[in-house]
Amino acid sequence: GNSVTQMEGPVTLSEEAFLTINCTYTATGYPSLFWYVQYPGEGLQLLLKATKADDKGSNKGFEATYRKETTSFHLEKGSVQVSDSAVYFCALSSGNQFYFGTGTSLTVIP
Amino acid sequence: EPEVTQTPSHQVTQMGQEVILRCVPISNHLYFYWYRQILGQKVEFLVSFYNNEISEKSEIFDDQFSVERPDGSNFTLKIRSTKLEDSAMYFCASTRLAGGTDTQYFGPGTRLTVL
Repeated sequence: GNSVTQMEGPVTLSEEAFLTINCTYTATGYPSLFWYVQYPGEGLQLLLKATKADDKGSNKGFEATYRKETTSFHLEKGSVQVSDSAVYFCALSSGNQFYFGTGTSLTVIP
Repeated sequence: EPEVTQTPSHQVTQMGQEVILRCVPISNHLYFYWYRQILGQKVEFLVSFYNNEISEKSEIFDDQFSVERPDGSNFTLKIRSTKLEDSAMYFCASTRLAGGTDTQYFGPGTRLTVL
């Protein structure tokens, strides 16, 4: 079946630190992979996506590369800001269905 | 930028009552979805809808749930007889295309509290 396994949180970093949030997946076929972000009190917003192997999605300084050989889609950012504090969800889509990870809460302190 | 809207933002109901959660998807989108997120847990797929019928549904989407597109703009989720464990955030989403490569655009959610 399809599933997403995401790094457990919460994660607390100082401003300008390097961020990695691990995500691995299990899927039949060739899924698309996504990172969504949920700011406090808000809905899910697409952060970035990759639709095929070796694609790199990027947005707002965040990056993730679709690695088929390791079935991973790790989220990275070189220098986090306080405004990046949120919950990050890795997701895959297969057919018309999305499968989300459990979410990783990130808090960035000044 | 077009967006998915949901009403109400917060719904409080008594156990056993019926609730209808409403969504207005992006106007040129054809595929519609409902998800729920129990507090502190992952976002769970409930159902997808296309061409006025259910495309896929999860095990969570049992007989107490139904969806409808009553007109050209609204997409509703009805819970017939609410239970305490239905308390969650419910998110509507829509996509223009099927097949999984298209981005799902999410609404801000409706927080349902069942007392």
